[in-house]
Amino acid sequence: GQQVMQIPQYQHVQEGEDFTTYCNSSTTLSNIQWYKQRPGGHPVFLIQLVKSGEVKKQKRLTFQFGEAKKNSSLHITATQTTDVGTYFCAGAESYIPTFGRGTSLIVHP
Amino acid sequence: DAGVTQSPTHLIKTRGQQVTLRCSPKSGHDTVSWYQQALGQGPQFIFQYYEEEERQRGNFPDRFSGHQFPNYSSELNVNALLLGDSALYLCASSRRGVLQPQHFGDGTRLSIL
Repeated sequence: GQQVMQIPQYQHVQEGEDFTTYCNSSTTLSNIQWYKQRPGGHPVFLIQLVKSGEVKKQKRLTFQFGEAKKNSSLHITATQTTDVGTYFCAGAESYIPTFGRGTSLIVHP
Repeated sequence: DAGVTQSPTHLIKTRGQQVTLRCSPKSGHDTVSWYQQALGQGPQFIFQYYEEEERQRGNFPDRFSGHQFPNYSSELNVNALLLGDSALYLCASSRRGVLQPQHFGDGTRLSIL
């Protein structure tokens, strides 16, 4: 079945440093979504990518979808303490979304 | 504009019992999906309901069943509970369509003793 791998599992950064999490699928995806889950909270939708090679930006966040539609990345520039949380990618081969294990971002002030 | 609401917030059951969890979708949404999230893991898709029918199902046994009502609210039922069913159960709603953005509720924390 479809597998979505996400690395790294944890990332510690100093406030102001950059952060990147990577998502890789075993199969070609229809689209990919990114979510953020704060400690003790629920996943919150960030963005959806559909087209091959697509790049989208949200303020300090940059999202990319690979040319082969099998990988994606989220990059945060100049992290802030408010960026703390676990970032999940969710890819779909058919109509069933598969979430990665997530990357937990810890920002040290 | 109320978001996705789930009840109860916490539940403690013993092995072999049955449980029912409830979800009301965000206003304007007609599709409800259920997920199981174990500690330190990503949400795992259980199933999705639209027009009161199960449309998609993940890799979960038949002990997991659901229902959607005419007002789009939904229930998740789990029979013959196992210790491994202990998890956070998340409900997510969306508009109908190919993989629309999902809005999650706060979840129900289920503990099996």
